[in-house]
Amino acid sequence: GAVVSQHPSWVICKSGTSVKIECRSLDFQATTMFWYRQFPKQSLMLMATSNEGSKATYEQGVEKDKFLINHASLTLSTLTVTSAHPEDSSFYICSARVTSGAYEQYFGPGTRLTVT
Amino acid sequence: QKEVEQNSGPLSVPEGAIASLNCTYSDRGSQSFFWYRQYSGKSPELIMFIYSNGDKEDGRFTAQLNKASQYVSLLIRDSQPSDSATYLCAVNSGGYNKLIFGAGTRLAVHP
Repeated sequence: GAVVSQHPSWVICKSGTSVKIECRSLDFQATTMFWYRQFPKQSLMLMATSNEGSKATYEQGVEKDKFLINHASLTLSTLTVTSAHPEDSSFYICSARVTSGAYEQYFGPGTRLTVT
Repeated sequence: QKEVEQNSGPLSVPEGAIASLNCTYSDRGSQSFFWYRQYSGKSPELIMFIYSNGDKEDGRFTAQLNKASQYVSLLIRDSQPSDSATYLCAVNSGGYNKLIFGAGTRLAVHP
């Protein structure tokens, strides 16, 4: 159980375009999902907390107008990188939190974004 | 500022040995503690969680929690080369909301 999927697994886009990444909890409902970014050989960096039916909460320094998050259902959250630039190239990973017990988070497989 | 500290390593152990990974945290109000494994180029995978003082065992893995001393550890028995990865310690940031991650300890198990 506790499987989280992400789509696409990798994407290449041109500078100035937008890219949407989907995160789905496949076998449980997740009122809260999280979006992380990880640069090579660096730690996970939390970008935002996505709550079903409400606005996302962004971490300090993360541009909410650039990284649009929508959590329209209990199993789906999307991250849209708008007007992408080469410096946005990174490994984007989502996680979904279970709603009982230790409230642990399960991670999706990640999306590798390359902006050319 | 709430922090989670881990030794970055690498921690090198021979195959078959016990690997001991340690983590300290600053927020005394933390309730739940997690260990994730991350292979290079992959996303983190949950290994174990613990929220009561003492030991919790799952197969070759044992998590240990000492809230008074604010540390949590992970023991890996009979280490295998496939255990070579970065191990991330994470602590819940109150309200069971976001997790605070340590920078990770890189473990290398050599044959």
